[in-house]
Amino acid sequence: EDKVVQSPLSLVVHEGDTVTLNCSYEVTNFRSLLWYKQEKKAPTFLFMLTSSGIEKKSGRLSSILDKKELFSILNITATQTGDSAVYLCAVHQGAQKLVFGQGTRLTINP
Amino acid sequence: NAGVTQTPKFQVLKTGQSMTLQCAQDMNHEYMSWYRQDPGMGLRLIHYSVGAGITDQGEVPNGYNVSRSTTEDFPLRLLSAAPSQTSVYFCASSYSINFGGPVYGYTFGSGTRLTVV
Repeated sequence: EDKVVQSPLSLVVHEGDTVTLNCSYEVTNFRSLLWYKQEKKAPTFLFMLTSSGIEKKSGRLSSILDKKELFSILNITATQTGDSAVYLCAVHQGAQKLVFGQGTRLTINP
Repeated sequence: NAGVTQTPKFQVLKTGQSMTLQCAQDMNHEYMSWYRQDPGMGLRLIHYSVGAGITDQGEVPNGYNVSRSTTEDFPLRLLSAAPSQTSVYFCASSYSINFGGPVYGYTFGSGTRLTVV
């Protein structure tokens, strides 16, 4: 059975801290791994990863994929209260299917 | 561009009623999907379409029907609503450059919060 597991499920840190969110997966026909940020409404796209070992960066956020060990991490440095959200990991597999993890709820306290 | 538009944003149904959730995209994406999001369970795929006239089942298709008569529209029909279908529903669209290759532009609508009483 295809599955994507995120950890931790919930994380509370102080503003300025650095956080690492984890995503492990077991899916058939892997095509890519995606990270999303979800606040009140729809998930918004952060990164798409297809190749191992190549870091993607966007400001204070970065992500990397390990296709041998079947996991990805999302790092956020110098966290701000606006980073508070649920972060979703999803693996695109086979015929146009996204398999989502449960999400990590990140809370940044001032 | 409006992106992916879902209507309605909120809906309350009585058990046994039927309704259609609307989804439209204006990005000429060939792929469209419906997901439901329940607390603590992430998003789960209901149905998806790889092009007009082509649909297939996802992980949790029971109780739902879809059709794709045009590239732009992908409505989701609840045949006989049940309390277990209380959820937030998201429609998404995307595209690929090469068949079998990575899928890009995965964009979600703003969601429909459905309550079945």
